[in-house]
Amino acid sequence: GENVEQHPSTLSVQEGDSAVIKCTYSDSASNYFPWYKQELGKRPQLIIDIRSNVGEKKDQRIAVTLNKTAKHFSLHITETQPEDSAVYFCAASMGGGGAQKLVFGQGTRLTINP
Amino acid sequence: ETGVTQTPRHLVMGMTNKKSLKCEQHLGHNAMYWYKQSAKKPLELMFVYNFKEQTENNSVPSRFSPECPNSSHLFLHLHTLQPEDSALYLCASSQTSIRQETQYFGPGTRLLVL
Repeated sequence: GENVEQHPSTLSVQEGDSAVIKCTYSDSASNYFPWYKQELGKRPQLIIDIRSNVGEKKDQRIAVTLNKTAKHFSLHITETQPEDSAVYFCAASMGGGGAQKLVFGQGTRLTINP
Repeated sequence: ETGVTQTPRHLVMGMTNKKSLKCEQHLGHNAMYWYKQSAKKPLELMFVYNFKEQTENNSVPSRFSPECPNSSHLFLHLHTLQPEDSALYLCASSQTSIRQETQYFGPGTRLLVL
């Protein structure tokens, strides 16, 4: 089955700097890659996702890149702000409709230092 | 209330108790999911329901018994749990159409087994 590895497990950056979180996956059939943000005591919320027919997707300060050949994808946050502090999870699934069996990475605890 | 709701939000139970967790989604979705979130572990998919039919049981012990009476409600019945079952149990729902795979999470039930 699918296995998703996420690095680093913790990341601390200065406010205004960029943060990058990387994930690798094992199943070449995976086609859907969402990223979730979970603030302390809150539910995970989708912040961005990408499908295998796209190499990069951007939404304001957040971007995700996908390299299907190497089977890895990354989350990039630019101009970080204190409210970006949270745990971030990557995930992978087959996509293509139907109920999705999402396999999550271990999570990255991002801390933005003022 | 809109979105995905879960009750109770907190639960303490002994190993011989029987309790149930409830999840309700108000998003018109067709798929519902149970996840377990333990400290320092990734989100673990437990069960998947598609149009009320169970499509995935991720090797979950039989002391966890799911029930999905309709596409809007999902239950997780608990009996004779172990202390290591203490965790945050998250429910999620999604559409099943292509490019509508986003899973929306509930706030979770924090379970403590004594």
